Amino acid sequence: GQQVMQIPQYQHVQEGEDFTTYCNSSTTLSNIQWYKQRPGGHPVFLIQLVKSGEVKKQKRLTFQFGEAKKNSSLHITATQTTDVGTYFCGASGAGSYQLTFGKGTKLSVIP
Amino acid sequence: ETGVTQSPTHLIKTRGQQVTLRCSSQSGHNTVSWYQQALGQGPQFIFQYYREEENGRGNFPPRFSGLQFPNYSSELNVNALELDDSALYLCASSFPDNEQFFGPGTRLTVL
Repeated sequence: GQQVMQIPQYQHVQEGEDFTTYCNSSTTLSNIQWYKQRPGGHPVFLIQLVKSGEVKKQKRLTFQFGEAKKNSSLHITATQTTDVGTYFCGASGAGSYQLTFGKGTKLSVIP
Repeated sequence: ETGVTQSPTHLIKTRGQQVTLRCSSQSGHNTVSWYQQALGQGPQFIFQYYREEENGRGNFPPRFSGLQFPNYSSELNVNALELDDSALYLCASSFPDNEQFFGPGTRLTVL
C-alpha cells in the first residue's frame, strides 16, 4: 500500500526561528493535504495541494507540492508559540479518496 | 469548531468485548472517514463511507465494520476487542476528495 514518510519526527526551535517539515512518497500522488494537531486535540485542516509545483501561502506558512507530485513541504517563517503542535501530511493516490497520513512532525517552540 | 461530533468521548472496555462509536457529520457533507490514531502516530485510515456505501478500506481486519445512515451520520463497530485496539478513534466528514473536518475523537482503552 501507499506509504508516506514525514521528516523530521521532532523539531525544537527558538521562537522567531523558521521551521520546515517534509513529506515524501514513493508513488505519484493525486493530492496532498496538511493538518495541524494541537496537544490533546484533533487534526485541523490547513491546505490542499493538487497541481504539480504548486505553492500556496497562508500568512507565515508556505506549502509546496513537488514537480513530480511525490513530495511536499510546509515551511513556517518566524515561529510563534501558537505554532506548537504536530503537523501531518495526508496524501491520496490516483483514483483513491483514501488519505494516508505520515507520522507527523512535532514542533516545540521555546519562548 | 468543525460541527463534527463524536460519542462517547472516552470508553473503557475489556478484551473480547464489542464497541460502537458514533459520529455526526458536518451539515451538507456526504462522506465520512474513520481513522485510528495510536499515541504518537498519524491517523490510520480504517474506511470511508459515501452515501451509505463503503467507499474504500484500509488495512484493518473484518472485525472493524461500519455503517452510514441516510442523514450521513456514521457508526464504527469493533468486535472481539484486543489490547492493541486502544487508541483515539477519529471520524472526519467531507465531500469526496476534499478537505476533511475531524471530530474531537473517542478515546478507547482496552484492558
